[in-house]
Amino acid sequence: KQEVTQIPAALSVPEGENLVLNCSFTDSAIYNLQWFRQDPGKGLTSLLLIQSSQREQTSGRLNASLDKSSGRSTLYIAASQPGDSATYLCAVRPQPLVVKLTFGQGTILTVHP
Amino acid sequence: EAGVAQSPRYKIIEKRQSVAFWCNPISGHATLYWYQQILGQGPKLLIQFQNNGVVDDSQLPKDRFSAERLKGVDSTLKIQPAKLEDSAVYLCASSSGRMARGYTFGSGTRLTVV
Repeated sequence: KQEVTQIPAALSVPEGENLVLNCSFTDSAIYNLQWFRQDPGKGLTSLLLIQSSQREQTSGRLNASLDKSSGRSTLYIAASQPGDSATYLCAVRPQPLVVKLTFGQGTILTVHP
Repeated sequence: EAGVAQSPRYKIIEKRQSVAFWCNPISGHATLYWYQQILGQGPKLLIQFQNNGVVDDSQLPKDRFSAERLKGVDSTLKIQPAKLEDSAVYLCASSSGRMARGYTFGSGTRLTVV
């Protein structure tokens, strides 16, 4: 059974810092891994999706890496801003024809001015 | 394109009462999902529809939860009777198909059972 763990559970940083969020999964047989952002009272917004054959994806100040063999992914946020404050979730999908995502519990990020 | 619509946004009910949630996916999306997110946890898939057929409901507590997707478009999720531990955010998501790479989530319905 796939288990996804995110560390840390919460993170508070001053504006401008570069930061790393970690995600680990127990079964390396994944199809893809996705990072989501969740704002209070809102649904999930997809940030980055990495296919199992890829090692990283970038979007603006965000960079996600994937090391499938070791069961790890990291989300790097450069030059953090107060607007980045949210909960960040990673989720893995096992196979192309199996779309059930297994989520981690999330990292609550607070960026203070 | 319009997003995934869910209603109501919030619902407070007493235990043993019944409740229903509604979801309208993105137009043309064949696959629809209901997830349950308990406070402090990641979302957990309850049920997945492909058009109007159920693909996966292995984690749906079938003694109290039911869901349908008539005509392969809108969907409703029902809880009867509700328990305290059902307090959670219920998220609906859709994708263009089982091979689709990504999902689009709705804003969710926050259920509080007292």
